[in-house]
Amino acid sequence: DGGITQSPKYLFRKEGQNVTLSCEQNLNHDAMYWYRQDPGQGLRLIYYSQIVNDFQKGDIAEGYSVSREKKESFPLTVTSAQKNPTAFYLCASNSGTGATYEQYFGPGTRLTVT
Amino acid sequence: RKEVEQDPGPFNVPEGATVAFNCTYSNSASQSFFWYRQDCRKEPKLLMSVYSSGNEDGRFTAQLNRASQYISLLIRDSKLSDSATYLCVVNEMNYGGSQGNLIFGKGTKLSVKP
Repeated sequence: DGGITQSPKYLFRKEGQNVTLSCEQNLNHDAMYWYRQDPGQGLRLIYYSQIVNDFQKGDIAEGYSVSREKKESFPLTVTSAQKNPTAFYLCASNSGTGATYEQYFGPGTRLTVT
Repeated sequence: RKEVEQDPGPFNVPEGATVAFNCTYSNSASQSFFWYRQDCRKEPKLLMSVYSSGNEDGRFTAQLNRASQYISLLIRDSKLSDSATYLCVVNEMNYGGSQGNLIFGKGTKLSVKP
């Protein structure tokens, strides 16, 4: 089945450690996105990539980094510079064309940093 | 700042009730509009796109009022399984006419009781 996979589902880290969240899609989508969701909050865009080897900062990119070496993969690294890293992280993709495209989401990774 | 505003709820309704959610958006240049559904601790999933003429999908009806910059979602004959958070989502056009990113509202929580 086509879709987006994120792993792990739950992740625990100590403060000061970098951690990388994986996101893989087999939908052949060009565009991929990383969002963060906090309780009672909307999704906030961290980074996005419209094409391989290119990515752009979203609204809250500070303390995060990404790479897009392959079309299928868009890993997100949460660095120790991110002040409040505990959150629900969602990866998404879409075909990037058309005015009414659907954005598909992975199941998310819940990161807890103590 | 570009905003999408929703009443956070919760809306607590009995089974069989009709419930309506509204959403306002600040950017008059917004081009595409969606309602997503998010179950507790899960990823958002597209419920329906919203077209200028209004559209219906079974018990769900979406309306768009461009002049007033608001979007509505009507759910008729509510089911227990409709309990979820409903996210209003707007896609804007970038300067130059290219497709922009999605802007998510914080969501309206619906709880349908037996």
